[in-house]
Formats: sequence, structure tokens, C-alpha cells
Amino acid sequence: KAGVTQTPRYLIKTRGQQVTLSCSPISGHRSVSWYQQTPGQGLQFLFEYFSETQRNKGNFPGRFSGRQFSNSRSEMNVSTLELGDSALYLCASSGTTGQGSGYTFGSGTRLTVV
Amino acid sequence: GENVEQHPSTLSVQEGDSAVIKCTYSDSASNYFPWYKQELGKRPQLIIDIRSNVGEKKDQRIAVTLNKTAKHFSLHITETQPEDSAVYFCAASGAGRRALTFGSGTRLQVQP
Repeated sequence: KAGVTQTPRYLIKTRGQQVTLSCSPISGHRSVSWYQQTPGQGLQFLFEYFSETQRNKGNFPGRFSGRQFSNSRSEMNVSTLELGDSALYLCASSGTTGQGSGYTFGSGTRLTVV
Repeated sequence: GENVEQHPSTLSVQEGDSAVIKCTYSDSASNYFPWYKQELGKRPQLIIDIRSNVGEKKDQRIAVTLNKTAKHFSLHITETQPEDSAVYFCAASGAGRRALTFGSGTRLQVQP
């Protein structure tokens, strides 16, 4: 059973640019969540999608957005990149049965903004 | 919203000793409490979880306890080994809120 796949693994972008990250969940998982991990702030919740609908959103500016497709794959977009957006972006998927099911994380996309 | 506090931030133990990491949560509606282990350069991996209808759960050398009244839960690792060295994160989620709120992490170092 394939795990959660995130692409690309590494990205280097310039301030002001935009970036799109992709996440393919475990087959059959309909819930996808995104987290930002930085040394200083730990794991911060960005947003959660379930069946193409955003269910929850964390406390991030509107430059951060996402979407989920009918095949449950998800993308997140960050516009007008800032140096502080440099982080590891992790995607996690969970099964459809009940709330609070254990999330399985992908390997992440490490974004560096220069 | 939910707030999860985790202590200590770093923990160093001798191989074979036990390690305990503690977390407190603020939202009494939280009902699911997983623990994740993240080795350097790798993804967080679920190692054990507990739901609010259970007070304790064990899996070999790892155990988690939950005190709903006090709103805290703990991870216990017995007979620690060097490969237990990693950063451990606790998390909480609850009714209507599938997203996990994470603690700040504990860096565990097991000295051989």
C-alpha cells in the first residue's frame, strides 16, 4: 500500500514568487491536512480538506491556500513568498472512519525562500 | 481553540532507563491523543494513540496514560535504547475538529 506522496521534495524560490505543493494521500483516504514545520514554531496546522471541502483552517494569512480534487489529491499554494515561509511543509492523510483517526504523514516538501 | 503544552523540551537518559514526556490540553472536547516520533530528516510517525474512553494503552515498551479530569496525558518509554533517540510530539483532536493540535516537541536523547 503506497504511503502519502508529496512532490516536490525540495524547492528554492525567490521572495515574491508563488509556489504550489502537491500531496497524494493513501489510497482510500479522503481527509488531507497540511502542516508547516519550523524549528521555532513546531508543527502548525494550515488547513484540512475532506471530500474536496475545506473543513478547518489554521491561523495563517490568506497567501496560503489549498484545494482538494475529486481523487483526494491536494495542493497547497503560497503566493507572494516571504523569507519566513521557509519551512518543511507536511501533508497527512487519514481514513474515513470516525474522527481523530491516526494521520499518516508524507515526507514533506522543504521550501527555501531566498 | 485547542492548546497543547508539552514538557520537557529536551530529555537525556541512559540506555535502559525510562523516559516520561507529559502533555496538557485545554479543550475538554478533545477525545483523541496520538504520539508521533520524528527522527532527524524523516517524517513524523505515529507510535501510539489513545482515545478518551481509555485510561491507559500499552504497546511493548511504550505506554500512554490519559487523565481526562486533569486534561493531561503522558508517554512512557521503558528500557530505552539508542534508536529511541528522536523528537516526540504529542497531539490532540476532538469532536468536529479532525485537525491535530501538536505540542512543541521533546527531543529525547538516549546515551549508550
